[in-house]
Amino acid sequence: AQKITQTQPGMFVQEKEAVTLDCTYDTSDPSYGLFWYKQPSSGEMIFLIYQGSYDQQNATEGRYSLNFQKARKSANLVISASQLGDSAMYFCAMREAYNAGNMLTFGGGTRLMVKP
Amino acid sequence: ETGVTQTPRHLVMGMTNKKSLKCEQHLGHNAMYWYKQSAKKPLELMFVYSLEERVENNSVPSRFSPECPNSSHLFLHLHTLQPEDSALYLCASSQDVGGDQPPNYGYTFGSGTRLTVV
Repeated sequence: AQKITQTQPGMFVQEKEAVTLDCTYDTSDPSYGLFWYKQPSSGEMIFLIYQGSYDQQNATEGRYSLNFQKARKSANLVISASQLGDSAMYFCAMREAYNAGNMLTFGGGTRLMVKP
Repeated sequence: ETGVTQTPRHLVMGMTNKKSLKCEQHLGHNAMYWYKQSAKKPLELMFVYSLEERVENNSVPSRFSPECPNSSHLFLHLHTLQPEDSALYLCASSQDVGGDQPPNYGYTFGSGTRLTVV
């Protein structure tokens, strides 16, 4: 079974609007971290935001926020006020404290396209 | 230099060539990784090195040979590749974590080497 599922292969958003990228995960480990990465066409993977499984509040980093719903095992990324430079692939990832050799597991990614 | 540096950025090689990809990290991390990213496919973990020892080899063909001489350097030696090996090869490093706390260290990635096998 897939550990990280991103159901939106591609999305469009109008510039200056907000957009939500979906991510659901599967783990039996009580201790885990969730990460979002951005990959522009240049190829580099850029870390955006982190959420720990014990965190009580949703993580925020500038225009990025993570809508963490632990019971539903979802960790959606919200980008506010989209900019043209936000057009990229976005990957959700999870790192478990005990399972999977403590390695980062990635979802299939969502391609976001921002329209001017 | 800081971060994770990969060279070369682009590589075109014939099926009979031998080449090497290089990755260098200046973050003091103790684990390094090679990933393959093909078009329209998820990221595939190829190799993991922790404390310079290989701990994972996800059934990668023997035409890919990793080398980790120290905690700061990682190589991927390539020989007799196939056209389907054309992809973006990403190197990453991290601090290995353990214990009860949620792992709050992600990976730091290099910019990748875009490999084309002709």
